[in-house]
Amino acid sequence: NAGVTQTPKFRILKIGQSMTLQCTQDMNHNYMYWYRQDPGMGLKLIYYSVGAGITDKGEVPNGYNVSRSTTEDFPLRLELAAPSQTSVYFCASSSRTGGEQYFGPGTRLTVT
Amino acid sequence: QKEVEQNSGPLSVPEGAIASLNCTYSDRGSQSFFWYRQYSGKSPELIMFIYSNGDKEDGRFTAQLNKASQYVSLLIRDSQPSDSATYLCAVNMFRDDKIIFGKGTRLHILP
Repeated sequence: NAGVTQTPKFRILKIGQSMTLQCTQDMNHNYMYWYRQDPGMGLKLIYYSVGAGITDKGEVPNGYNVSRSTTEDFPLRLELAAPSQTSVYFCASSSRTGGEQYFGPGTRLTVT
Repeated sequence: QKEVEQNSGPLSVPEGAIASLNCTYSDRGSQSFFWYRQYSGKSPELIMFIYSNGDKEDGRFTAQLNKASQYVSLLIRDSQPSDSATYLCAVNMFRDDKIIFGKGTRLHILP
């Protein structure tokens, strides 16, 4: 099992550009999450999904969108990149609500 | 009171000693508690979870839970330089069944 995979590992965007961060898990987990982590600020939940076709906002959803068409994939879309979106983004999955989460390797995004 | 609180550190511990990491939480009804280790530039890695009051041991790691005091801790025995990392406490909040992460404690094991 590869677990949770994310692409790309690194990306530099110009202000106003768009991009999609990819996340795939092969553990057949229903629950998937997107977090951002800023230095000294901990993990902040952006969006989450409880299954294919179902998504909901987390703590910091503004500027992002998600979709969940399959159990395996949970892409995160940035439509108009802003410098405030410079961060490290982690995708995670879990087999049950409130259960232990398994993280992907992360995407380091810089917006200039 | 913050939902999940940890001392940011750094906590410096001599090699071979016991490292003690602490976490408090605000939701009295919380039932599930997790410890993650995060090396610099890497993703969080689950190392322990605990659901019941008392101690849970796994190798050199022991998680301790005291629900009455709303306190969970992680002990690392025989600390090694490879244990130097940031340790994140995570708590499943009873009110909405969501996991909240603390900001983490930086642990530095001195050779």
